[in-house]
Amino acid sequence: SAVISQKPSRDICQRGTSLTIQCQVDSQVTMMFWYRQQPGQSLTLIATANQGSEATYESGFVIDKFPISRPNLTFSTLTVSNMSPEDSSIYLCSSGYADGYTFGSGTRLTVV
Amino acid sequence: EDKVVQSPLSLVVHEGDTVTLNCSYEVTNFRSLLWYKQEKKAPTFLFMLTSSGIEKKSGRLSSILDKKELSSILNITATQTGDSAIYLCAVDEGNFNKFYFGSGTKLNVKP
Repeated sequence: SAVISQKPSRDICQRGTSLTIQCQVDSQVTMMFWYRQQPGQSLTLIATANQGSEATYESGFVIDKFPISRPNLTFSTLTVSNMSPEDSSIYLCSSGYADGYTFGSGTRLTVV
Repeated sequence: EDKVVQSPLSLVVHEGDTVTLNCSYEVTNFRSLLWYKQEKKAPTFLFMLTSSGIEKKSGRLSSILDKKELSSILNITATQTGDSAIYLCAVDEGNFNKFYFGSGTKLNVKP
């Protein structure tokens, strides 16, 4: 299975600012996924990122708020823009192969 | 409506007990079902199930898929306190590896 390094591990940010989360995969993968897990909730898919094309966003998530980059087959970033306290969550990236999908270590974001 | 439903939502057992966690799903183009264990932030991959009736096993954990019943179970035998976690079920639908997660089962194993 793919091994994914994600950073930062946690951050406390002021409202109105932006944070970029990075994920590095130890092998080339076609698709990467970004999830949000709000306190006490399960995982919600934000978007799917393919290399060389625009990310596909799920209902309720927009590119202006969560821009995603996928410059190559091993790396992706998610930016949380113009943050508000409601954006306080754990953000996770995921990828893998047909035999299983793994997650990055997660980013715990607190917006104050 | 929820595409993936897990039960029970929470469970408290004592060490040595056996537990069975349930996951039912309703998706249009089922491809696979995955089980994860989440202790802190990142879910840890446990199993991927694609074929009905074939049990996957790893140590004290095992899982099986029933496509006819649109469900899966995760069994943990001889539970230990280290098994305390949230267990997540996810279903892969269709052509784009789109995963739907259940709300999870919170397992608490007491000494």
